[in-house]
Amino acid sequence: AQSVTQPDIHITVSEGASLELRCNYSYGATPYLFWYVQSPGQGLQLLLKYFSGDTLVQGIKGFEAEFKRSQSSFNLRKPSVHWSDAAEYFCAVGSFGGYNKLIFGAGTRLAVHP
Amino acid sequence: GAVVSQHPSWVICKSGTSVKIECRSLDFQATTMFWYRQFPKQSLMLMATSNEGSKATYEQGVEKDKFLINHASLTLSTLTVTSAHPEDSSFYICSAREGSNEKLFFGSGTQLSVL
Repeated sequence: AQSVTQPDIHITVSEGASLELRCNYSYGATPYLFWYVQSPGQGLQLLLKYFSGDTLVQGIKGFEAEFKRSQSSFNLRKPSVHWSDAAEYFCAVGSFGGYNKLIFGAGTRLAVHP
Repeated sequence: GAVVSQHPSWVICKSGTSVKIECRSLDFQATTMFWYRQFPKQSLMLMATSNEGSKATYEQGVEKDKFLINHASLTLSTLTVTSAHPEDSSFYICSAREGSNEKLFFGSGTQLSVL
């Protein structure tokens, strides 16, 4: 069965520091992978997605993620975190054509210290 | 960008009552809508998928008579939690997609607390 694991429930970084949020998936075929961000009181916003092609994916707000098939991972990175990046981040894997059915990880809550 | 409005943001109700949550696409036609549920510190779990004018498709383990979904128009889907009980207390979030557009747009969610 498909599943997504985000090992880190909560991460705290200093503003300006680099960030990496981990995501591991279990999926039988080529996965469609997504990262979403959820700020308080707002809906989920798509940061980036991977369907095929270049395994390093650029997203909005300066985020990027790298698909590593050998490690079944799709970690999210940002070289320099801003205070406004504090939010909850969800990794998701899509089945049956991509967006038809998303399976989410439990989320990682990011706190940013000034 | 496209906007999905979800209402109410939070609701508190007594056990045994029914609660309706609305999800509206404000500037596009949502041919497909999805309803998710999230327990604290857990994943968003897909509950059901609804296509406009059709019956919703429920995920395994989700009671269709408990969670009534109506998607009667291209801009509105509703989730009704019938005879709510404290264990139904959760965060419910909808998302919508226009046609074959790959992008999903999410509502801001509804926090339901059943006393």
